[in-house]
Amino acid sequence: GEDVEQSLFLSVREGDSSVINCTYTDSSSTYLYWYKQEPGAGLQLLTYIFSNMDMKQDQRLTVLLNKKDKHLSLRIADTQTGDSAIYFCAERPGGYNKLIFGAGTRLAVHP
Amino acid sequence: DADVTQTPRNRITKTGKRIMLECSQTKGHDRMYWYRQDPGLGLRLIYYSFDVKDINKGEISDGYSVSRQAQAKFSLSLESAIPNQTALYFCATSDKGQGKTEAFFGQGTRLTVV
Repeated sequence: GEDVEQSLFLSVREGDSSVINCTYTDSSSTYLYWYKQEPGAGLQLLTYIFSNMDMKQDQRLTVLLNKKDKHLSLRIADTQTGDSAIYFCAERPGGYNKLIFGAGTRLAVHP
Repeated sequence: DADVTQTPRNRITKTGKRIMLECSQTKGHDRMYWYRQDPGLGLRLIYYSFDVKDINKGEISDGYSVSRQAQAKFSLSLESAIPNQTALYFCATSDKGQGKTEAFFGQGTRLTVV
């Protein structure tokens, strides 16, 4: 079946690194995504990784994928108050053009 | 202007009333989706449409119906609203490519059923 799980809340100090974790169940997933939802807004694609990659880096963001354990993580370096948001992990099961979302992790950044 | 526009942004309705949420897009995408967001549950797919003549049920379609009036328009109806349909509703679009298939979301409609 298709299921994506992530912890619901993470609190970090400004300037520290944040690591948001996600596990998924569908081994056929071709792409895995991180979406960001700011207050009062819809979701926006933050970054993604193709299933044949282990790591992807994009400025302050690092995505790590462990296919064996079906584990995805998002690391945000030098976390800023503007990074406070809900972060959704999503998978795209192979052969389907729809996304399965996790429950979202609310990231709170404090001084 | 937003690429994906949802109307209304907020709505309060009474139990048993029929309500329609509308979505229009200027992305030129064939594929459109309706999700609902509940705290702690994330986004759950209600219905999706891969083109004007193709409508599919998602994981929680009971109590909802949809209409794809044109490529750019996809509306969601609650025939007889009930309180547990109180949620934040999102429309999304995507292209039909085989690549990373980014979904573009509207700003959401907050629906309260009293």
